[in-house]
Amino acid sequence: DAKTTQPPSMDCAEGRAANLPCNHSTISGNEYVYWYRQIHSQGPQYIIHGLKNNETNEMASLIITEDRKSSTLILPHATLRDTAVYYCIVSVLTGANSKLTFGKGITLSVRP
Amino acid sequence: DAGVIQSPRHEVTEMGQEVTLRCKPISGHNSLFWYRQTMMRGLELLIYFNNNVPIDDSGMPEDRFSAKMPNASFSTLKIQPSEPRDSAVYFCASSVRYNEQFFGPGTRLTVL
Repeated sequence: DAKTTQPPSMDCAEGRAANLPCNHSTISGNEYVYWYRQIHSQGPQYIIHGLKNNETNEMASLIITEDRKSSTLILPHATLRDTAVYYCIVSVLTGANSKLTFGKGITLSVRP
Repeated sequence: DAGVIQSPRHEVTEMGQEVTLRCKPISGHNSLFWYRQTMMRGLELLIYFNNNVPIDDSGMPEDRFSAKMPNASFSTLKIQPSEPRDSAVYFCASSVRYNEQFFGPGTRLTVL
């Protein structure tokens, strides 16, 4: 019973923005949207999270729709090193139910 | 800043042998997580600790698996006896805030 839906793969050109979509139509009011990525043969890496406002950090921006049923992770200037599997996860922030459930993610391929 | 340290990085063993995986979390982190990743099942949470206390072990596959956290700087995941289906990459992660987890490099386990 996946809480998020992501396309299996996408690609983008190096230097261009990569916009990774995620649907979470059953998200609860207290659930946050988290993004992680996993570069081949490495452990997952935290990218960003948000509740309802758009968020930005040094790695990416997270845009959450007003109804919170979907979101987009934006890598503003993709590089070859951004090729990875990106996981969109919804979870409460704290408490016994606060744990990450990784789905299949979306494989982003950045081409030269 | 050493990050999460896991040992060994690779382990090859024979069916029936005991396997012990080790993890040193980032200093100051109070939550520790053990995950398993396979092609078939993806990334699965096995167990997590908060302040050295196991909070949720519902992901531990069976009694052959056990995990301990004797102090804030060390945890083990033990499989006894090991079986070929236990072959996977095992990740340890730690965090201060539950869902901003820092993952180690993983231990690749092969059971023959």
